[in-house]
Amino acid sequence: DAGVTQSPTHLIKTRGQQVTLRCSPKSGHDTVCWYQQALGQGPQFIFQYYEEEERQRGNFPDRFSGHQFPNYSSELNVNALLLGDSALYLCASSRLAEMNTGELFFGEGSRLTVL
Amino acid sequence: AQSVTQLDSHVSVSEGTPVLLRCNYSSSYSPSLFWYVQHPNKGLQLLLKYTSAATLVKGINGFEAEFKKSETSFHLTKPSAHMSDAAEYFCVVSDGYGGATNKLIFGTGTLLAVQP
Repeated sequence: DAGVTQSPTHLIKTRGQQVTLRCSPKSGHDTVCWYQQALGQGPQFIFQYYEEEERQRGNFPDRFSGHQFPNYSSELNVNALLLGDSALYLCASSRLAEMNTGELFFGEGSRLTVL
Repeated sequence: AQSVTQLDSHVSVSEGTPVLLRCNYSSSYSPSLFWYVQHPNKGLQLLLKYTSAATLVKGINGFEAEFKKSETSFHLTKPSAHMSDAAEYFCVVSDGYGGATNKLIFGTGTLLAVQP
């Protein structure tokens, strides 16, 4: 049973560029959310997708956008990259019916470096 | 607003000795609390969760945590550390009433080192 998979694992961009990160949820999961983990910090919630719609959003600017596809996979897009966007981006999945358990299954992350 | 504070950024123990990782929470209602572990180059993994049932919660790999409302604490313990326990540990509170949300609020983490 494959867990949450993310791609790419590492990437380097320059300021002002745009980046797309991809995530496939754990089999059987229908809800995907994204977190940003800056170096030395805990992960911070970016947003959650269910039924191809953004359902909840954290305190992130509109430069951060996402998408969920009919097969439940998801993309995170960041436009006009800033140096401060350098971080580990984590995708996590769950089943909406089990959301009250609070348990998320995390991928290993995509490490973005902005130069 | 919900928040958690991890009182130690680094903890070092010897193999076979007890582990104590401290966490205090702030919540306007009865919280759902979790401990997650992050091993190097691995995804975050749930260790245990408290959702208003028993105040002493047992998790995987011999870890447990006790919810103390009077102290607003949720400390993580293990009687005997193993080398494989070396990792970063995050105390987490759910931002939704009853835990029905994927919006988790993480502490800043405690890096546990285990010396041979």
